Amino acid sequence: GQQLNQSPQSMFIQEGEDVSMNCTSSSIFNTWLWYKQDPGEGPVLLIALYKAGELTSNGRLTAQFGITRKDSFLNISASIPSDVGIYFCAGMNYGGSQGNLIFGKGTKLSVKP
Amino acid sequence: NAGVTQTPKFRILKIGQSMTLQCTQDMNHNYMYWYRQDPGMGLKLIYYSVGAGITDKGEVPNGYNVSRSTTEDFPLRLELAAPSQTSVYFCASNNRGAHGYTFGSGTRLTVV
Repeated sequence: GQQLNQSPQSMFIQEGEDVSMNCTSSSIFNTWLWYKQDPGEGPVLLIALYKAGELTSNGRLTAQFGITRKDSFLNISASIPSDVGIYFCAGMNYGGSQGNLIFGKGTKLSVKP
Repeated sequence: NAGVTQTPKFRILKIGQSMTLQCTQDMNHNYMYWYRQDPGMGLKLIYYSVGAGITDKGEVPNGYNVSRSTTEDFPLRLELAAPSQTSVYFCASNNRGAHGYTFGSGTRLTVV
């Protein structure tokens, strides 16, 4: 089946630093999504990308849908302590009667004040 | 709107016991999903449903059963709990054509 490779697995950064993480796939997707999971909670959608090459921002977050449709990255600028959590990329294709998300394994972000 | 509600939040089961994880959503979403999350492994799809009366297997369905008698509810059943089913379980929902799922806050299950 389709697999997503998400890197890095974990990051330890200083408050105020920028963060970059990415996801690559062995096959193409029609949609890329980025989620954040706070401890003890379910994932929450941050950004959705629908077209190859698309660059979308949500506050300090910026994500891009790769031209090849096989990759995506997420950048966080000027990190703050509340950015701590696990970030998941997810790819989606609509086919048949259901759209199924394929998740990466996550990037665990720790921010030192 | 409460969104997606999962109960219980925590549960400890003995090997061989059974239980049902409850999931209900009040957004009138057609599609519902059950995922399990193991440390460092992301989320893996157990079962999904595209509407009341319709369910289908995901990537890791063995040891689980589901039913979808109403649009709102999508319970997950473990018949004979095994230590390998120790995990955090998430229910999610969306509508066809909607990008991104709404997740519940999870059920942490330990089988001892």
